[in-house]
Amino acid sequence: EAGVAQSPRYKIIEKRQSVAFWCNPISGHATLYWYQQILGQGPKLLIQFQNNGVVDDSQLPKDRFSAERLKGVDSTLKIQPAKLEDSAVYLCASSSYTDTQYFGPGTRLTVL
Amino acid sequence: QKEVEQNSGPLSVPEGAIASLNCTYSDRGSQSFFWYRQYSGKSPELIMSIYSNGDKEDGRFTAQLNKASQYVSLLIRDSQPSDSATYLCAVLLGNQFYFGTGTSLTVIP
Repeated sequence: EAGVAQSPRYKIIEKRQSVAFWCNPISGHATLYWYQQILGQGPKLLIQFQNNGVVDDSQLPKDRFSAERLKGVDSTLKIQPAKLEDSAVYLCASSSYTDTQYFGPGTRLTVL
Repeated sequence: QKEVEQNSGPLSVPEGAIASLNCTYSDRGSQSFFWYRQYSGKSPELIMSIYSNGDKEDGRFTAQLNKASQYVSLLIRDSQPSDSATYLCAVLLGNQFYFGTGTSLTVIP
């Protein structure tokens, strides 16, 4: 079974630029999560999708972050404009109805 | 108040010893509990899940849950240098996961 795929793996941008991340969950997993993990901290949930609907986006900074999951499969997370404090690893995870999450390799974002 | 709390460590144990990692959570409605291992520069990988009070064993790993005390722990027997990593405790409350900040474990050869 293929795992969660993410791209790019690394991204370096300057502040005020925009960036987008892509995630392909495990086949058949209805739930998809985007997390932000700052160095030395645990993952923080940004947004959770159930199929193509948003379940929770209470911690998503909506003035600059957006996410979508068209057709209930792939998802993209966008930051526009980026700030220095957005430097982090962005993790995508998916789960089926067993509630266990499986994580992708992450995208390491550096904002200069 | 943080939903999930862990000692950040670092925790150091000699090779072959038992490593004990602890986690407390604040909401009694939490229904599922998970331990993830995260190597430096890598993403978290699931080690154990536990849903009911008591112990659950899987190889060298034992998860312990005490809902009355709102406490979940992970024991690693016969610790190996390859166990050196950060261990994240996660709790499912409703339909949202909450992660602790992780405990850094170093197993000394």
